[in-house]
Amino acid sequence: GAVVSQHPSRVICKSGTSVKIECRSLDFQATTMFWYRQFPKQSLMLMATSNEGSKATYEQGVEKDKFLINHASLTLSTLTVTSAHPEDSSFYICSADTSGRAGGTDTQYFGPGTRLTVL
Amino acid sequence: QKEVEQNSGPLSVPEGAIASLNCTYSDRGSQSFFWYRQYSGKSPELIMSIYSNGDKEDGRFTAQLNKASQYVSLLIRDSQPSDSATYLCAAAGRAGNKLTFGGGTRVLVKP
Repeated sequence: GAVVSQHPSRVICKSGTSVKIECRSLDFQATTMFWYRQFPKQSLMLMATSNEGSKATYEQGVEKDKFLINHASLTLSTLTVTSAHPEDSSFYICSADTSGRAGGTDTQYFGPGTRLTVL
Repeated sequence: QKEVEQNSGPLSVPEGAIASLNCTYSDRGSQSFFWYRQYSGKSPELIMSIYSNGDKEDGRFTAQLNKASQYVSLLIRDSQPSDSATYLCAAAGRAGNKLTFGGGTRVLVKP
């Protein structure tokens, strides 16, 4: 399968600071990446769809000014949580779509996730 | 109403038995279906994808799709304790490749 990495794997920050999370597709180019959030014992919640070279599409209820997404290249998307607060503490997971890969299908492969704790 | 429904479980199966997981979806336009496995504290890992009606086998896993009944299932043969995890069913809808996930079924395989 395709390999997706995320960095950092875990971050602890103070309330009011900003945190940047990177998502990389290591062995393929991804025109589309997705950002999810998962709270304990709940399923994945899609936050936004990140398209290379264009603005991200946010799901209803997700604040675009708080969760800044940049997809500057075909292998890198970043999520910045601005002015983080304790309620933003969660497991953030990205995925990359392989439809842009030679012989690829519309399959999402997930990064290992980033656990954010805001104190 | 959730667009993809799964029984939350836990589904408890003895080691060596067959685990049967079910999933229904509401959007008839869904074209692609996926099963992911998620261990506690980890991100989802793709197990199977299925696009056409019928069965698809990969090792100990068999996915079944019935578009007329809007039903997807996953069978895990010879279940092992390492199969204990939450299994997520997902459907890709009409608009792009965005996935809609079910709530997941927790599976416990007891030695």
